[in-house]
Amino acid sequence: DGGITQSPKYLFRKEGQNVTLSCEQNLNHDAMYWYRQDPGQGLRLIYYSQIVNDFQKGDIAEGYSVSREKKESFPLTVTSAQKNPTAFYLCASSISQVYEQYFGPGTRLTVT
Amino acid sequence: QKEVEQDPGPLSVPEGAIVSLNCTYSNSAFQYFMWYRQYSRKGPELLMYTYSSGNKEDGRFTAQVDKSSKYISLFIRDSQPSDSATYLCAMSDPGGYQKVTFGTGTKLQVIP
Repeated sequence: DGGITQSPKYLFRKEGQNVTLSCEQNLNHDAMYWYRQDPGQGLRLIYYSQIVNDFQKGDIAEGYSVSREKKESFPLTVTSAQKNPTAFYLCASSISQVYEQYFGPGTRLTVT
Repeated sequence: QKEVEQDPGPLSVPEGAIVSLNCTYSNSAFQYFMWYRQYSRKGPELLMYTYSSGNKEDGRFTAQVDKSSKYISLFIRDSQPSDSATYLCAMSDPGGYQKVTFGTGTKLQVIP
């Protein structure tokens, strides 16, 4: 079954700790994306990657970092520099066209 | 002013009704228009996308784009309780930057 997996579904961390969210896809898609979703706001782009070993900042990259060492994987690290990290994080991928993105189930991160 | 405006709802309709969901936008460079369905605590699911103006139909769903008015719609015929979800509109400028601008979503409830 092809798809995008994100783990864990729920994540709890103390303030000041870095945390890494996993995103894996077996769709053979070239492009991968990380979004953040907050109540009352549209999805906001954090980082995106069009090919392995290359990625670009999105609109709200401050306090986040990513890597793309394999085509299938695009982990997101939420660092202690992110001022308001509690949110629902969504990973997506597409073959190449940005308008045909497929999303994973999301990770809800709570930082206290 | 936001680039994409979407009424958050909630919108409650009886089962079997025709539902109309709408978005307005301000960026005339948008060429691709997408609709996503998101169930509670899940990732968005791509329903359909259209290019430029016109209509596109897929089963009970019809997407309509009016670029002259900067207005897009999603119609759901014979609505079902399983259609209860949040519907996100999204738009993309094919200028090369891998960015999609999302609406905030309209919450739909179909009452049996």
